[in-house]
Amino acid sequence: DTAVSQTPKYLVTQMGNDKSIKCEQNLGHDTMYWYKQDSKKFLKIMFSYNNKELIINETVPNRFSPKSPDKAHLNLHINSLELGDSAVYFCASSYTGLATYEQYFGPGTRLTVT
Amino acid sequence: GDSVTQMEGPVTLSEEAFLTINCTYTATGYPSLFWYVQYPGEGLQLLLKATKADDKGSNKGFEATYRKETTSFHLEKGSVQVSDSAVYFCALVPNDYKLSFGAGTTVTVRA
Repeated sequence: DTAVSQTPKYLVTQMGNDKSIKCEQNLGHDTMYWYKQDSKKFLKIMFSYNNKELIINETVPNRFSPKSPDKAHLNLHINSLELGDSAVYFCASSYTGLATYEQYFGPGTRLTVT
Repeated sequence: GDSVTQMEGPVTLSEEAFLTINCTYTATGYPSLFWYVQYPGEGLQLLLKATKADDKGSNKGFEATYRKETTSFHLEKGSVQVSDSAVYFCALVPNDYKLSFGAGTTVTVRA
């Protein structure tokens, strides 16, 4: 009964390739997120969708494009991968509103670009 | 902008030692404050939270009190176990609803 799942768990690819990471949540949440965690464990939000609408779009290269087909899914597509894209990418979900703002995280996708 | 600053790690402790991780925040309004924990190889999970001044969040023996006068939300545990080895993140949600994390503190507990 995984709450937030991501696929794949590991992704090794070469520079210049295009890859996608998929995320699904079965918690009934209406908001989903993508975070990037670097090698020093620093965690930075990239995008957030609320009911399939983009509400947070941080300073992220245009090579990164999120897509939300429905409120239970949020995918991340990365074009022309670069060495600096190597990181762990986390998907998360939550209900909107301050009162119940707990975010539930997926297990992460470790992306290695060679 | 609104942000949190937490003590740098790594922190290494012996089992049954007392743990404190300092966290201070900067915010224009009255944010909600959180501690998240990331165990090795896993995603983050909420450890505890406090939504207003003087609230105390607690879970799994950990506690943190929302101190408006010192703009702090320090995490404490009286007797740590090896299983508490993890990365701990302080975080806040300001008025724009965007969760902002601190840099994380790696804690290692030795048997």
